Amino acid sequence: EAQVTQNPRYLITVTGKKLTVTCSQNMNHEYMSWYRQDPGLGLRQIYYSMNVEVTDKGDVPEGYKVSRKEKRNFPLILESPSPNQTSLYFCASSLSIITSYEQYFGPGTRLTVT
Amino acid sequence: AQSVTQLGSHVSVSEGALVLLRCNYSSSVPPYLFWYVQYPNQGLQLLLKYTSAATLVKGINGFEAEFKKSETSFHLTKPSAHMSDAAEYFCAVSVRGGSEKLVFGKGTKLTVNP
Repeated sequence: EAQVTQNPRYLITVTGKKLTVTCSQNMNHEYMSWYRQDPGLGLRQIYYSMNVEVTDKGDVPEGYKVSRKEKRNFPLILESPSPNQTSLYFCASSLSIITSYEQYFGPGTRLTVT
Repeated sequence: AQSVTQLGSHVSVSEGALVLLRCNYSSSVPPYLFWYVQYPNQGLQLLLKYTSAATLVKGINGFEAEFKKSETSFHLTKPSAHMSDAAEYFCAVSVRGGSEKLVFGKGTKLTVNP
């Protein structure tokens, strides 16, 4: 089954404790992206990757890091989480973003930073 | 830069009534337009997309949207609401010719009353 998987689905952590949210897709997609969803703000892009070893900042990259060492994986790293990073996070992938191909979304990771 | 405005963060309809969710976009070049749906505790999934093939686009679950260039609109409609349509709906825009991002509106939460 074609899908985007994220782990963990739920995470409660404390300020400053490094964490990684994994994202994996099995569709051989070139483009991958991370979004955060907050009430009243919709989805905002954090980082995206056009291909392996190619990443770039989205609209809200502060406090986040990403890497793309393999085509299928695109982990999101929070080196020192803070309460304002409490949010619902989505990973997405697409065959290509420079066309009309749709993005496929993972199920989301709900992160709470206390 | 492209942007999307969704009018009404909450829309409430009765079961069997017309659903109309509004989306206006801003883009200096011909856009691709998308509607995504998010059911409770799930990721986003594509309802339909406009890629210039036809101005009236039909999607899944009986939804359709009409691209109106003169009004810069891409409103989503469904003739008869069903309880299972209760969800949050997001309009999104990308542009042809090299944009690396999909820009989302803030979302409209649809409630269907029995």
